[in-house]
Amino acid sequence: NAGVMQNPRHLVRRRGQEARLRCSPMKGHSHVYWYRQLPEEGLKFMVYLQKENIIDESGMPKERFSAEFPKEGPSILRIQQVVRGDSAAYFCASSPRGTPDQPQHFGDGTRLSIL
Amino acid sequence: AQRVTQPEKLLSVFKGAPVELKCNYSYSGSPELFWYVQYSRQRLQLLLRHISRESIKGFTADLNKGETSFHLKKPFAQEEDSAMYYCALKGNFNKFYFGSGTKLNVKP
Repeated sequence: NAGVMQNPRHLVRRRGQEARLRCSPMKGHSHVYWYRQLPEEGLKFMVYLQKENIIDESGMPKERFSAEFPKEGPSILRIQQVVRGDSAAYFCASSPRGTPDQPQHFGDGTRLSIL
Repeated sequence: AQRVTQPEKLLSVFKGAPVELKCNYSYSGSPELFWYVQYSRQRLQLLLRHISRESIKGFTADLNKGETSFHLKKPFAQEEDSAMYYCALKGNFNKFYFGSGTKLNVKP
């Protein structure tokens, strides 16, 4: 059972461009979470999605950021018109539905660098 | 409101010394708590969960409902324990709440 897969591992963008980060959850997992980690900082929750639904986006900036988890395919975190402050590691995690004591499983992250 | 607090941003100890990473939580229901570890530039990995009452890499954590705490302990720290540690709580609707993390630095 492959783990949570994120791609790309590294992404370089110039200011004003768009960044698309992909996350494929573990097989059988229907819940996806996105987190941002700034250099030398802790993990910050951004958004929680289930298939075709955004459950909680309270941690996501209201402008330029969007997330989706379509019926088919990976979850996408999209950042439009990137700025230097968007440079960070973005981690995706997934968990199965139902079983209460199941933890989240994390991907390797995408390191986004803005030039 | 659900919340996880890790009061120490950085904890430095010498090799062989005991270590305790603090975690306090706020949750109205019956909490499910986890500790995650992140080694340098790697993904977060599950270290242990309170429901299993297990010891992983010499670490243990006991849920204290009276004090609403889930501190992570190890009697003798090793240099390879140096990492970022996150306490997490699983709340309603499968939502997870993470603390801000504690960086453990074990000095030789």
